[in-house]
Amino acid sequence: QQQVKQSPQSLIVQKGGISIINCAYENTAFDYFPWYQQFPGKGPALLIAIRPDVSEKKEGRFTISFNKSAKQFSLHIMDSQPGDSATYFCAASTITGNQFYFGTGTSLTVIP
Amino acid sequence: EAQVTQNPRYLITVTGKKLTVTCSQNMNHEYMSWYRQDPGLGLRQIYYSMNVEVTDKGDVPEGYKVSRKEKRNFPLILESPSPNQTSLYFCASSLFGNTEAFFGQGTRLTVV
Repeated sequence: QQQVKQSPQSLIVQKGGISIINCAYENTAFDYFPWYQQFPGKGPALLIAIRPDVSEKKEGRFTISFNKSAKQFSLHIMDSQPGDSATYFCAASTITGNQFYFGTGTSLTVIP
Repeated sequence: EAQVTQNPRYLITVTGKKLTVTCSQNMNHEYMSWYRQDPGLGLRQIYYSMNVEVTDKGDVPEGYKVSRKEKRNFPLILESPSPNQTSLYFCASSLFGNTEAFFGQGTRLTVV
């Protein structure tokens, strides 16, 4: 079964708008929650990551919000730009760092 | 330049013909892993290795083998490929399992 559930599958946002992608998990042993960005023909690259001791992490226009009690985390892209058009994956891993689980991905299109 | 190198980038083969996809990293990372990416399914972990001579199954290990004889190399072996192994494959490395993963450029495999 899918360890990390991601939604929506696709998202279209106007330039300057806010893009929001959500993920949910069940395994309370997860303690590392990264987001990866993938452009066509490339491998995924780390965008931003959070650990459960904080509820929010911001890097530039990208923010992760983390709700430990609800077992949900989300990526917010402020002032979305056409260059942000890519596929975004959430992921989770445990403190022992063994297996790594990815969501199914969100294809983001930012229209000018 | 720090990188993960996969070869080949593209491969077309026939059912049952053994093949190896190579992966090498130059960052002295402990953890390496293989993923397959399929539309609508995201990235699924095939095998991972936490150190030399230590490998373990991920979510979808059936039909695949790996070895980790040296720290920098982590080849993926398909002893008898089948059409359902047609996919986009990524190798990744990280210092540990729950730290930033660096991905290769991907290998597009088609089994006919």
